[in-house]
Amino acid sequence: SQQGEEDPQALSIQEGENATMNCSYKTSINNLQWYRQNSGRGLVHLILIRSNEREKHSGRLRVTLDTSKKSSSLLITASRAADTASYFCATDSWGKLQFGAGTQVVVTP
Amino acid sequence: AAGVIQSPRHLIKEKRETATLKCYPIPRHDTVYWYQQGPGQDPQFLISFYEKMQSDKGSIPDRFSAQQFSDYHSELNMSSLELGDSALYFCASSSYLDRRTDTQYFGPGTRLTVL
Repeated sequence: SQQGEEDPQALSIQEGENATMNCSYKTSINNLQWYRQNSGRGLVHLILIRSNEREKHSGRLRVTLDTSKKSSSLLITASRAADTASYFCATDSWGKLQFGAGTQVVVTP
Repeated sequence: AAGVIQSPRHLIKEKRETATLKCYPIPRHDTVYWYQQGPGQDPQFLISFYEKMQSDKGSIPDRFSAQQFSDYHSELNMSSLELGDSALYFCASSSYLDRRTDTQYFGPGTRLTVL
């Protein structure tokens, strides 16, 4: 069963705009991670935020975590065509990752 | 830097056949995870190994088995293949001692097609 749910399911934006996607989960977590996947290819680790952290930045990525609401958000600023991909959140409960359904992001030039 | 290696990258099998997928973790990583991603779906955890022992089990069918060998590589054995087994199978590795990151590093995946 799915641990997390993501919204929106799909997002279409233009280059230069920001993209925000949200993830909700159900159980206690050790940390939450975001991954990117280009169509039918491997999963690329983007960023990890621990359960005792509230916000984290990495380049154009900003992740927030609200453990009281069991939710996280991923913000991609100044998007580029190369950001076109599916983005998954994954919760880590002591080892195994449980993925959300993913948000498909399309960035048009 | 060395990454997780999976072989084969593509595999086509008939129903009821068997398949073996191999995973070679990043050097010095002692933990291996297997995930299955069906078409248009999110990855689902199958099974994991730490130091050659099974450490956790997810939604892995009884027709599947896996093990981790002394050199830390892992194999996922799939028997009596069904059409629904067609998916992308990912292996990921991590180092239990490297608790700084808790990051799992994914391989490129093996695309299994069952005809």
